[in-house]
Amino acid sequence: DAGITQSPRHKVTETGTPVTLRCHQTENHRYMYWYRQDPGHGLRLIHYSYGVKDTDKGEVSDGYSVSRSKTEDFLLTLESATSSQTSVYFCAISESVRDRVSGANVLTFGAGSRLTVL
Amino acid sequence: DQQVKQNSPSLSVQEGRISILNCDYTNSMFDYFLWYKKYPAEGPTFLISISSIKDKNEDGRFTVFLNKSAKHLSLHIVPSQPGDSAVYFCAARSGSARQLTFGSGTQLTVLP
Repeated sequence: DAGITQSPRHKVTETGTPVTLRCHQTENHRYMYWYRQDPGHGLRLIHYSYGVKDTDKGEVSDGYSVSRSKTEDFLLTLESATSSQTSVYFCAISESVRDRVSGANVLTFGAGSRLTVL
Repeated sequence: DQQVKQNSPSLSVQEGRISILNCDYTNSMFDYFLWYKKYPAEGPTFLISISSIKDKNEDGRFTVFLNKSAKHLSLHIVPSQPGDSAVYFCAARSGSARQLTFGSGTQLTVLP
């Protein structure tokens, strides 16, 4: 997966417990993203980062926080997990806002982390 | 309010025939459009993109068409192969935005 590792790949937890998902990249890309995938909703952006300690909210950020203390790591934290946060979480990276070749913002995704909150 | 819509959750086609996946958008500021393919238990992978200044982009068996006046784009796969069976996501970006907005996806099944 192009130098992106997500951990854990699967997790089952209980309502009210904290959960942290980790995304690690070896590409030295500036931009990192967390998306969640749910049936009928596709991929929705939770938070993203445009540099170390620089983060911003996406469209479904409530209940989530992120941190990026190093270029290679982007952490997604659920402070108190709820059943509505049961989902598959994808991390993505991008070297720049505009891809050098295509001009589009081409994201490269990790393999995903499946989270079940009981 | 979904800015990128894929109204067909699923599509089945016979091997060798054409697959046409559709996507509509509402934000006229979108300047790039992308298609991603996703297999089960894997992350989405980039397939093809098109700039808003073009109306067609081709890459092998995959062609994307853009109709700006209708705010509509489509992905054509010719000929379709069983290995093309996957979920296809349409995505778009506006101006200097740093992120992509995705549609809800279409499950394509290519029957042998």
